[in-house]
Amino acid sequence: AIRITQSPSSLSASTGDRVTITCRASQGISSYLAWYQQKPGKAPKLLIYAASTLQSGVPSRFSGSGSGTDFTLTISCLQSEDFATYYCQQYYSYPWTFGQGTKVEIK
Amino acid sequence: EVQLVESGGGLVQPGGSLRLSCAASGFTFSSYWMSWVRQAPGKGLEWVANIKQDGSEKYYVDSVKGRFTISRDNAKNSLYLQMNSLRAEDTAVYYCVCSGYYGYYFDYWGQGTLVTVSS
Repeated sequence: AIRITQSPSSLSASTGDRVTITCRASQGISSYLAWYQQKPGKAPKLLIYAASTLQSGVPSRFSGSGSGTDFTLTISCLQSEDFATYYCQQYYSYPWTFGQGTKVEIK
Repeated sequence: EVQLVESGGGLVQPGGSLRLSCAASGFTFSSYWMSWVRQAPGKGLEWVANIKQDGSEKYYVDSVKGRFTISRDNAKNSLYLQMNSLRAEDTAVYYCVCSGYYGYYFDYWGQGTLVTVSS
């Protein structure tokens, strides 16, 4: 199975900050990577697929980049509603696998 | 509006069985791959299984192969997960998820149903 290493596991930031989360795959996965946001007690929400394509309705302050083994989710100007846990997921080969998650907390 | 409503979760003893159901509405169910994704308490996400539009292809994570069976009834707009030989490590919230035309990623999620395996 392809392992996805996500970092950091948590971070503290302030509203207005630029935040970057990284996922590294154990082998090349082209651009077959998605990003999700999950708030406490809620189901995850798809933010980005194909590494950089924004899902409909997702604010443009979210962006994704990367291909091969290294990927980045960037939140350009953190808003209060963005404090949540973020996961990446590869769909290059079965079994689909997720990163461990990054909790974005208020500083 | 897309709605996915899971049911069938609960407390079950190790070695027992449970059948989860998911009622879909607000979209053309038969046009999309469907998946189950689970999340153990306080842990991350784990993809469990998915099924193609017509049920002709099914895939499972290794840890549930031979124990869990995913199925669907397009006439009833419903997705199922039959879980047998349950173990403590199967304890999790199970999400029903619409996974698009190709089954790659997870577009729309239900609210989840909790399965607890304990004696």
